[in-house]
Amino acid sequence: SAVISQKPSRDICQRGTSLTIQCQVDSQVTMMFWYRQQPGQSLTLIATANQGSEATYESGFVIDKFPISRPNLTFSTLTVSNMSPEDSSIYLCSVEEGTGVSPTFGSGTRLTVV
Amino acid sequence: ILNVEQSPQSLHVQEGDSTNFTCSFPSSNFYALHWYRWETAKSPEALFVMTLNGDEKKKGRISATLNTKEGYSYLYIKGSQPEDSATYLCATLGSTLGRLYFGRGTQLTVWP
Repeated sequence: SAVISQKPSRDICQRGTSLTIQCQVDSQVTMMFWYRQQPGQSLTLIATANQGSEATYESGFVIDKFPISRPNLTFSTLTVSNMSPEDSSIYLCSVEEGTGVSPTFGSGTRLTVV
Repeated sequence: ILNVEQSPQSLHVQEGDSTNFTCSFPSSNFYALHWYRWETAKSPEALFVMTLNGDEKKKGRISATLNTKEGYSYLYIKGSQPEDSATYLCATLGSTLGRLYFGRGTQLTVWP
């Protein structure tokens, strides 16, 4: 299965600023996914990122708030823009591994906005 | 949106106890059910992927069953150990490969 390096592992940010989270995969993958887990809530998909096309956002998430880049088949970034305390969450990237195999996840970014 | 429910929300057991958790999901348009084990500051670790009604999977002391007709899965841990302490997540697969719908998880604490 793929190995994902996700950075940073944690950060404390001031409200109104932006943070960019990076995921590097050790193999080429078609689809990458970005999830968020707010305190006490389930992991929720933010968007799906395909190389060479714009990301597809889930209901309730918009590109201006969570811009995503996918410059090649091994790398993606998620930016959390104009942060507020409500953005304090764990953010995770994942890649699909094929039929019958569970997706692989990065180790997560724990974000606290103060 | 697929509504996935997990119970209990948290569980505290003594070392050596056996335990089980429940995951319920919509039985219509079912593709697959995934179980993950997630420790703080680590990547969620895939435990099982289950697709067929009646599936039973086992990995060491951990096993899982699947009932797609009634929309539930059970995860069992036999003889819990402190290293089993983690959050256990279940998720159903959407129509897009790799796109998962998660429950809130069951947080297990095993006391020595």
